[in-house]
Amino acid sequence: DAGITQSPRHKVTETGTPVTLRCHQTENHRYMYWYRQDPGHGLRLIHYSYGVKDTDKGEVSDGYSVSRSKTEDFLLTLESATSSQTSVYFCAIRETGDTEAFFGQGTRLTVV
Amino acid sequence: DAKTTQPPSMDCAEGRAANLPCNHSTISGNEYVYWYRQIHSQGPQYIIHGLKNNETNEMASLIITEDRKSSTLILPHATLRDTAVYYCIVRATSNTGKLIFGQGTTLQVKP
Repeated sequence: DAGITQSPRHKVTETGTPVTLRCHQTENHRYMYWYRQDPGHGLRLIHYSYGVKDTDKGEVSDGYSVSRSKTEDFLLTLESATSSQTSVYFCAIRETGDTEAFFGQGTRLTVV
Repeated sequence: DAKTTQPPSMDCAEGRAANLPCNHSTISGNEYVYWYRQIHSQGPQYIIHGLKNNETNEMASLIITEDRKSSTLILPHATLRDTAVYYCIVRATSNTGKLIFGQGTTLQVKP
């Protein structure tokens, strides 16, 4: 299995509090992604990174920010969590070129 | 990246071949077709990908039409453990790496 770890795996937080999810890789892959998945929906891209300090928005980026200060870590921050951000969050990594993506096991976030 | 269209659900008998179609009529010449699947609430798992030619690996076969506007993922002998949501994605390797998923096909393998 690709070396990709998400933390925490489960979190319950209150509305209005900041939350940071971490994606850590040991593969030195260039690309890193954050997705959210809600019941009845496929995976929706929040933000992605194509290098250290290089990030871009995905389909559902409002309310989220990201940072990548080193190759191995990609952080997703909810500045002020809302109940609509209750979801399962997946991180993925991918090398350049004609390559497949590897996904983490997901983080289940509940905002109450 | 080109959009894809997949049927929302399909059934398959255990031991039979499962053929999952995907339409990508706006695919560009430099875009690959990728297939992933997601079992229960696990992270998606890569299955196979191709550009023009048909491809086969230990998990599945990928058949791409000559005009590249559609493709079919074939699981030759489906088992109950193949019950999952299957996603077809098209992506160019020359872009910044954005990876967009559609709704996928829920495959139910029945005994």
